[in-house]
Amino acid sequence: QVQLQESGPGLVKPSETLSLSCIVSGGSISGYYWSWIRQPPGKGLEWIGNVYHSGTTNYNSALKSRLTISVDTSKDQFSLKLTSVTAADTAVYYCARVLEGVGTGSYYYYMDVWGKGTTVIVSS
Amino acid sequence: DIQMTQSPSSLSASVGDRVTITCRASQSISSYLNWYQQKPGKAPNLLIYVASNLQSGVPSRFSGSGSGTDFTLTISSLQPEDFATYYCQQTYSTPYTFGQGTKLQIK
Repeated sequence: QVQLQESGPGLVKPSETLSLSCIVSGGSISGYYWSWIRQPPGKGLEWIGNVYHSGTTNYNSALKSRLTISVDTSKDQFSLKLTSVTAADTAVYYCARVLEGVGTGSYYYYMDVWGKGTTVIVSS
Repeated sequence: DIQMTQSPSSLSASVGDRVTITCRASQSISSYLNWYQQKPGKAPNLLIYVASNLQSGVPSRFSGSGSGTDFTLTISSLQPEDFATYYCQQTYSTPYTFGQGTKLQIK
C-alpha cells in the first residue's frame, strides 16, 4: 500500500525559502501526478500545485512566482520550494497522490493517498 | 478561479440522523467534484470522487450526487466516527479549489 511521508524544517525565517520533500513508499512514483496542499492553522485547504512523474507541473497562480515543485524518480520523491516566505505561509503542508481518469471530453483528478502532514512555522 | 461554497459551515446532529451537506461551484464543473473528511490533527481522507463514486473502503452510508454547479454529500445514518469536517474540491480546472469546510458536530 502506497504511503507518503513529508519531511523538512519545521521553522523557516521570513524572506527565506521553505523546502519540503515527500517520499513515496510501497509503490512507484511513475505514472502518477503528485500534489502539495496546505492548511493554515484553523483554516481550510489550499491546493499548491501538481507535478507529473515526467516533471510537468501545474501551479496555483497565487503562488506561482515563488513556487517550484520537482520530482526525483530515482529516489521516489518529489519536492516543494517556496521562496520569500511570510507568516501567511505558516501551515500544515500535505503531499498527496493524484489519480487521473477520463470523463466526458476531459480528465478528472482526485487525491486518494495523503501524507500525515508536516507543520511549517514562518517566524524569526 | 472557481469558487466553491459549502453550506452549512457547521451542523449539529445526532447519531442515527440523516445529514446532507451542499457544495456549490461558481461555474459549471461537470461532475469533477470530490469530497474529503478530515478529523482534528489528521490528513484529509477521500470519501467520494467524481461526484458520486464511493472510494474503496468508505462505508456505504456515504453518498454523493450532483453535476454542473450543485452537489450534495449525504450520510444516511450518522455514526460516532463521522463527526469531522467535510470539504468539497473541484478538479475541473486549476487551481483545484476547495470549499471552506463543513464542521459536523454532535448535538
